[in-house]
Amino acid sequence: AQRVTQPEKLLSVFKGAPVELKCNYSYSGSPELFWYVQYSRQRLQLLLRHISRESIKGFTADLNKGETSFHLKKPFAQEEDSAMYYCALSVWSGNTGKLIFGQGTTLQVKP
Amino acid sequence: EAGVTQFPSHSVIEKGQTVTLRCDPISGHDNLYWYRRVMGKEIKFLLHFVKESKQDESGMPNNRFLAERTGGTYSTLKVQPAELEDSGVYFCASSQVQYRGRGSEAFFGQGTRLTVV
Repeated sequence: AQRVTQPEKLLSVFKGAPVELKCNYSYSGSPELFWYVQYSRQRLQLLLRHISRESIKGFTADLNKGETSFHLKKPFAQEEDSAMYYCALSVWSGNTGKLIFGQGTTLQVKP
Repeated sequence: EAGVTQFPSHSVIEKGQTVTLRCDPISGHDNLYWYRRVMGKEIKFLLHFVKESKQDESGMPNNRFLAERTGGTYSTLKVQPAELEDSGVYFCASSQVQYRGRGSEAFFGQGTRLTVV
């Protein structure tokens, strides 16, 4: 079955603390994984994708196929990082792809 | 560049009524998707258009939901008759192309919050 699991509904940290938002997936094919973020009163937007191996706003995420994980990390959290974070998996049927989302984790960075 | 636009932003209707949601994708984006987040649950795929053709409607919950994309531009999602469990946030997204293995980005609208009372 195709599934994305984000075990934490809420993660609360203090400013400057490290952050790790967990994401595990289940997919029989070659996974394409994304992190999307939704800041307060803004639209859902792409934060990063595993294929790019990029760092955006200090966040990184490494695909671990052995552990079927794609955890999002940042060494020093900032207050402006407070938002809802969704891990998503792109699944394909023929030439058509769609996103499977996790339930989302609310990150709260306290001053 | 204008992003994906959805109308209305909020809608409150009574059970049994009809509601039509509209999505204007980014100009030139052939791929258009509808997703829905019901309270407390994850965002779930509803359907996917390529231009005016439905490529995948496996996520549509039942035949009370009808999506159209005439002319391959904007899309509408009609719920008729609405039930209480249809309440949630309906998202539309668009993308220019789909590249398997290359992680093409989908751009989301701000969502329509539908409340059925």
